[in-house]
Amino acid sequence: ETGVTQSPTHLIKTRGQQVTLRCSSQSGHNTVSWYQQALGQGPQFIFQYYREEENGRGNFPPRFSGLQFPNYSSELNVNALELDDSALYLCASSLDQSRGYTFGSGTRLTVV
Amino acid sequence: TQLLEQSPQFLSIQEGENLTVYCNSSSVFSSLQWYRQEPGEGPVLLVTVVTGGEVKKLKRLTFQFGDARKDSSLHITAAQPGDTGLYLCAAFYNQGGKLIFGQGTELSVKP
Repeated sequence: ETGVTQSPTHLIKTRGQQVTLRCSSQSGHNTVSWYQQALGQGPQFIFQYYREEENGRGNFPPRFSGLQFPNYSSELNVNALELDDSALYLCASSLDQSRGYTFGSGTRLTVV
Repeated sequence: TQLLEQSPQFLSIQEGENLTVYCNSSSVFSSLQWYRQEPGEGPVLLVTVVTGGEVKKLKRLTFQFGDARKDSSLHITAAQPGDTGLYLCAAFYNQGGKLIFGQGTELSVKP
């Protein structure tokens, strides 16, 4: 098992720019979720993909979008970055969601 | 809207003390997952409880799921500095297939 890997680990962007974050799921996991975590807070659910289809979304605007690829890896895209988008973005994969997820170490995004 | 309330938000104790963290919701959830997160890392799954009234033990950690599957607790016995971290409860709802996190409990155990 290689676990969940995310890239890049840190990123600095300017307000108004676009960003793409990447995630490689744990081997065999067909579900991937993305979360936004502010410092000292619990992760907030952005959306989830199952077999390349979005099957759940949290309260995030449409400028947050994603993709899941046939190998179950995933991307999170954020357009028109705002200062409040600065956060730790976590990717998590699962084979049985009700039993638990494996999280990556996250991408720390800073918008200036 | 499903909300998960976790308390306390902060906890600072001495090594050897006991503590309990609570997680409550007004909704019934399919399962309740507890995670621990250290700075600069993603959450790591500690345990999942599924059946109402279920109790699970992981060394000095005891996890309990309420009979009505709306609440859960984490009890740590004889806390150690290595227990320091952010403890997160997360409820899985079959409807929408979402995992919703509580606000987290920041635990600091001083030697």
